[in-house]
Amino acid sequence: GQSLEQPSEVTAVEGAIVQINCTYQTSGFYGLSWYQQHDGGAPTFLSYNALDGLEETGRFSSFLSRSDSYGYLLLQELQMKDSASYFCAVLNSNYQLIWGAGTKLIIKP
Amino acid sequence: DSGVTQTPKHLITATGQRVTLRCSPRSGDLSVYWYQQSLDQGLQFLIQYYNGEERAKGNILERFSAQQFPDLHSELNLSSLELGDSALYFCASTRTGEGSNTEAFFGQGTRLTVV
Repeated sequence: GQSLEQPSEVTAVEGAIVQINCTYQTSGFYGLSWYQQHDGGAPTFLSYNALDGLEETGRFSSFLSRSDSYGYLLLQELQMKDSASYFCAVLNSNYQLIWGAGTKLIIKP
Repeated sequence: DSGVTQTPKHLITATGQRVTLRCSPRSGDLSVYWYQQSLDQGLQFLIQYYNGEERAKGNILERFSAQQFPDLHSELNLSSLELGDSALYFCASTRTGEGSNTEAFFGQGTRLTVV
């Protein structure tokens, strides 16, 4: 079967750096996406990696290693508004988005 | 505003009833996805349509059905509702069904409560 594994919950302190990991097993792979979802809200797109390496967008960065079937989302200078759930998703060879169960990020002052 | 419109925003109905959720994708997007999200759970993929045709099916119950119309809006029909069907139902759209664009734009969801 196809699956994505990510931690269910991560806790960090305001101003710190946190990394959310995602490992995947899918039928084919085009790329890894990350989405943010605040409580009661809709998921919003954060980043997409198709090639190995690090992509940086402001305080957020996303990394991919295709050989390890692994990626991570790095959030720097954490702010309280970053408290949310973060989902990784893989676009497989059938052009389907396969989703992880989500990581709840809890930020403490 | 993602450009994806879902109606209604909230729906309360009794067990055994049938409801229809509606989604209008972003202008120009051909692909529509439906997801179910129960409380504190992840996104469960239900079904995908591309330009009017069913493209992929996920964990969609036989009591549920969907379709995409010529104007590309989509409807998700839920019948013989059970308490466990209470959830947030999201619709998302992408530019194409192919891999050229992977960003999915989500509507604000329909919160269904079955009592």
